[in-house]
Amino acid sequence: QKEVEQDPGPLSVPEGAIVSLNCTYSNSAFQYFMWYRQYSRKGPELLMYTYSSGNKEDGRFTAQVDKSSKYISLFIRDSQPSDSATYLCAPAGGDQFYFGTGTSLTVIP
Amino acid sequence: NAGVTQTPKFRVLKTGQSMTLLCAQDMNHEYMYWYRQDPGMGLRLIHYSVGEGTTAKGEVPDGYNVSRLKKQNFLLGLESAAPSQTSVYFCASSLQTGTNYGYTFGSGTRLTVV
Repeated sequence: QKEVEQDPGPLSVPEGAIVSLNCTYSNSAFQYFMWYRQYSRKGPELLMYTYSSGNKEDGRFTAQVDKSSKYISLFIRDSQPSDSATYLCAPAGGDQFYFGTGTSLTVIP
Repeated sequence: NAGVTQTPKFRVLKTGQSMTLLCAQDMNHEYMYWYRQDPGMGLRLIHYSVGEGTTAKGEVPDGYNVSRLKKQNFLLGLESAAPSQTSVYFCASSLQTGTNYGYTFGSGTRLTVV
């Protein structure tokens, strides 16, 4: 069983839509949860960081963690064409993160 | 402040050739990592280092060697390249245990082995 499962998409939405990106993970010991954004032909960049269960909001982005169901979500409100990228979830255990395969998102103007 | 710099950005190798990928960070980070990224496989950890002079194996270490002689540099070596090593390689660093701080990634090295 993979440590992290993420729907690869691709996901295509119109500008202004609300986007929901999701991951599931298998290790109940994970305490830290991050989302990275990766533009085409670039390295991943840290987008959101959450510790344990709960919600965290940063502008148009909200990260949500439900440890009871081992479910991680990233919501993007009022999506923009500049949000078009691949989004990787990364729960963490021990000294390292376990990356999902990424969900490719395209926001159409 | 350059962050994490990887060289080269692109490389084509013939099977059996060797090469070294260089990662340099100017953030005084303790931890450094080498990942490979393949379609449908996501990011997979090759090797990592928790400080100068240390290295450890990750998920997919076979066919690769690493060295961390200086804190700011982390080298990834391919002794005898194989087509299965065609991939995009990313270096990352973090201040301390990455799980507390997150990683800073380089822009990647695209390697093709023919």
